[in-house]
Amino acid sequence: KAGVTQTPRYLIKTRGQQVTLSCSPISGHRSVSWYQQTPGQGLQFLFEYFSETQRNKGNFPGRFSGRQFSNSRSEMNVSTLELGDSALYLCASSPDYNTDTQYFGPGTRLTVL
Amino acid sequence: GNSVTQMEGPVTLSEEAFLTINCTYTATGYPSLFWYVQYPGEGLQLLLKATKADDKGSNKGFEATYRKETTSFHLEKGSVQVSDSAVYFCALTRDALIFGKGTTLSVSS
Repeated sequence: KAGVTQTPRYLIKTRGQQVTLSCSPISGHRSVSWYQQTPGQGLQFLFEYFSETQRNKGNFPGRFSGRQFSNSRSEMNVSTLELGDSALYLCASSPDYNTDTQYFGPGTRLTVL
Repeated sequence: GNSVTQMEGPVTLSEEAFLTINCTYTATGYPSLFWYVQYPGEGLQLLLKATKADDKGSNKGFEATYRKETTSFHLEKGSVQVSDSAVYFCALTRDALIFGKGTTLSVSS
C-alpha cells in the first residue's frame, strides 16, 4: 500500500506571496492532519480534517488554512507569507477521526525569501 | 496543559552501546504515547507506541514502557547500530499529536 505523498517536496517563495501544499493520504485513510516543523518551535499541530470538515485546529494565525476533498486528499494554504513560515510541513493520515496512530509523509520544505 | 519533555541531545554513542532517551509527559487523563524517528531529509516514522499504563511498545530492538506513576516513556535499545542515527521524538496524543523537542542520536562505528 502506498504511503502518504506530499507535493511539491521543495518550494521557494518570497514574502507576501501565497502557497498551496498538497497531501494524498494512504488509501482508505479518511483523516488528514498537518504539522509544521521548525528548528525553533519543533513540531506543531496545524489542523486536522475528516470527512471534508476541519475537526481540530492548532494555534496558528488565520493565514494558515486548509481543506479536504471527497477523496480525502487535502491541501493547506498559507497566504501573505512571512520569513518565519519557512519550515518543513508534514502531512499525516489515519484511518479515522481521533485515531491514535498517524502515518507521516516526507514533508514539503518551504523556504520564504 | 499537555506537554512532552525529552532529554536534549545530541547523544553520541559507539556501535553496540546501550541507548536510553528519557521522556516524561504531562497530560490530563490517559493519553497514548509514541516514539517517532526522523532520518535525515525524511518525514516521521512511527517507531513504537503504548496505549495504556504498563504497556510496553517494541520495534526493531527498541523498547519503551508506559509508566503512569512516573509519567515517563523512556526509549531504550540494548545495542545501537550506525543505521540508528536519526532524530527521535517522543509524543502523546490529545486530539492531536504533541511532540517533544526531539533528541539527535549519532552512532559511530
